[in-house]
Amino acid sequence: QVQLVQSGSELKEPGASVRISCKASGYSVTTYAMNWVRQAPGQGLEWMGWLNTNIENPTYGQGFTGRFVFSLDSSVSTTYLQINSLKAEDTAVYYCARGVRFSSGSYSVDYWGQGTLVTVSS
Amino acid sequence: QSVLTQPPSVSAAPGQKVTISCSGSSSNIGNNYVSWYQQLPGTAPKLLIYDNDKRPSGISDRFSGSKSGTSATLGITGLQTGDEADYHCGTWDSGLSAGWVFGGGTKLTVL
Repeated sequence: QVQLVQSGSELKEPGASVRISCKASGYSVTTYAMNWVRQAPGQGLEWMGWLNTNIENPTYGQGFTGRFVFSLDSSVSTTYLQINSLKAEDTAVYYCARGVRFSSGSYSVDYWGQGTLVTVSS
Repeated sequence: QSVLTQPPSVSAAPGQKVTISCSGSSSNIGNNYVSWYQQLPGTAPKLLIYDNDKRPSGISDRFSGSKSGTSATLGITGLQTGDEADYHCGTWDSGLSAGWVFGGGTKLTVL
């Protein structure tokens, strides 16, 4: 069955970097896009962008350019989210979520990782 | 401020029916399919509805979705205490900053 397993919680100081991993199993990671979604404490879901895993081409959502990097290591079926120059407002749970194109032509996200809490604090 | 608008909370008694609304615009709901997600406390979201009204395999038929114009609605019948969760709508936005957008989420309380 499809599973997305993310790396564990992180505590970082402002200005540092963090890299979150998302290991896919139950399907070929290069046949479905991977989305990244942020959920700040007590808030809703916010789409950060997606990675075309077939050609390793990232698309970043509004507000997620510059400090955010999506990448893929297909040899280990793992996608990554790196956040540089961390700020306190980056404190949130980050989810990877598989993108799917349905027969209608619509796009959605179906399977989600369990989430990774990143806390930015001095 | 979320692009899609949902009520912050709804509540109903066990066994009753509840609906959750999701309002958008022509650049998102009006011209794209809507998905709904259930997020149980402390867990990741789970796909409940896609293409406005379709249920993935394994999702109970107590959950239904509909869309009209620039609004979508999630319906849940036969409410159970295990349905207490946050519910999020989502869709593609084809506007200037194209991308996936979500509602702010609705907290369902089963009294």
